[in-house]
Amino acid sequence: TQLLEQSPQFLSIQEGENLTVYCNSSSVFSSLQWYRQEPGEGPVLLVTVVTGGEVKKLKRLTFQFGDARKDSSLHITAAQPGDTGLYLCAGPLFSGTYKYIFGTGTRLKVLA
Amino acid sequence: EAQVTQNPRYLITVTGKKLTVTCSQNMNHEYMSWYRQDPGLGLRQIYYSMNVEVTDKGDVPEGYKVSRKEKRNFPLILESPSPNQTSLYFCASSLDRVHQPQHFGDGTRLSIL
Repeated sequence: TQLLEQSPQFLSIQEGENLTVYCNSSSVFSSLQWYRQEPGEGPVLLVTVVTGGEVKKLKRLTFQFGDARKDSSLHITAAQPGDTGLYLCAGPLFSGTYKYIFGTGTRLKVLA
Repeated sequence: EAQVTQNPRYLITVTGKKLTVTCSQNMNHEYMSWYRQDPGLGLRQIYYSMNVEVTDKGDVPEGYKVSRKEKRNFPLILESPSPNQTSLYFCASSLDRVHQPQHFGDGTRLSIL
């Protein structure tokens, strides 16, 4: 059972379009992190959201943490080819374990 | 430079031949993890360590062992590798588990024939 489900799994869009990636769980997370992974490399952190309802912006990327801390979203405005990559949400489960869980991933391709 | 170093980067070996993938971090991080990444299955945690001599199973621990004798090192041991352990492996570390991000090594691509 995957604790963090991401949608969509794959996304191919034209440069300049907007998109939203969703990360959903039935479990509560202490925080959620978003990473981007390039082929052949390890994931690299984009942002950490901690408080329910929190919104963080990183240039054209906007991240939101759900009020109940069970879900998050990543919105990209005016996507560029440099945004191409695998986007992963991840975080520590809130209680009963010290595991760190990754989402299923969203592979984004932005066409010029 | 702050980094997580894992070795080897690539390894092709045969079923049953014991192997160790090393992982070392220079950031004095407490939390360290091993993950495997497989197409369609994403990144799955194999084992993690909260601190020296404190390790626990992740979601896919079968067939793997780890140890944490020093804070900086967290080797992954496959005592009798099998083909279903062919995968891309990542070591990661973080200052703590809750709010601090995981810093990843460059990965080890392991093929077991």
